[in-house]
Amino acid sequence: DVKVTQSSRYLVKRTGEKVFLECVQDMDHENMFWYRQDPGLGLRLIYFSYDVKMKEKGDIPEGYSVSREKKERFSLILESASTNQTSMYLCASSLESRYQETQYFGPGTRLLVL
Amino acid sequence: QKEVEQDPGPLSVPEGAIVSLNCTYSNSAFQYFMWYRQYSRKGPELLMYTYSSGNKEDGRFTAQVDKSSKYISLFIRDSQPSDSATYLCAMNSNYQLIWGAGTKLIIKP
Repeated sequence: DVKVTQSSRYLVKRTGEKVFLECVQDMDHENMFWYRQDPGLGLRLIYFSYDVKMKEKGDIPEGYSVSREKKERFSLILESASTNQTSMYLCASSLESRYQETQYFGPGTRLLVL
Repeated sequence: QKEVEQDPGPLSVPEGAIVSLNCTYSNSAFQYFMWYRQYSRKGPELLMYTYSSGNKEDGRFTAQVDKSSKYISLFIRDSQPSDSATYLCAMNSNYQLIWGAGTKLIIKP
């Protein structure tokens, strides 16, 4: 079974702090994704990566950056956390970049920025 | 207007009822249509996917796509309390998925 793990289930941070969210997948998947999920808005893509050291902006990249130094690990960085970044963050991976490929999700990190 | 519209609910039905969940979309280029299920405090997991128009059945679940109306549906027969979850539709024409907001479904015993 594909397993996608996220470093924290819950995080509480203060405005202005630098925040690291880590995601690890164990199935040698090429693609990895970071989403945020907010009530009524569904999943919105922040960044994705189709290879090591490669990254592409999604729909809402502002205020975020990412790092993919190893194939299995994809990190999301909030350089200076703000209250409007309070959200559920979901990491996903997929085997290839074909459009019908299933995305496998981690359990999510619920981030509260005070 | 969002590319994919989905009623967030909640939709509450008694156990054993037939459930109909729906999404509408505006981009006629979408070719792959998926339904993900998300239990509370978990990430979404793929439930079904279909390509182009038509029906696809898997046990108690049927996914239906009507490309002419830009409308997709998920039907659940003999609904069970364990089906209580948020159901998200997703669709794409490249490797990026476009998501509906998700419908929260509650099955009452």
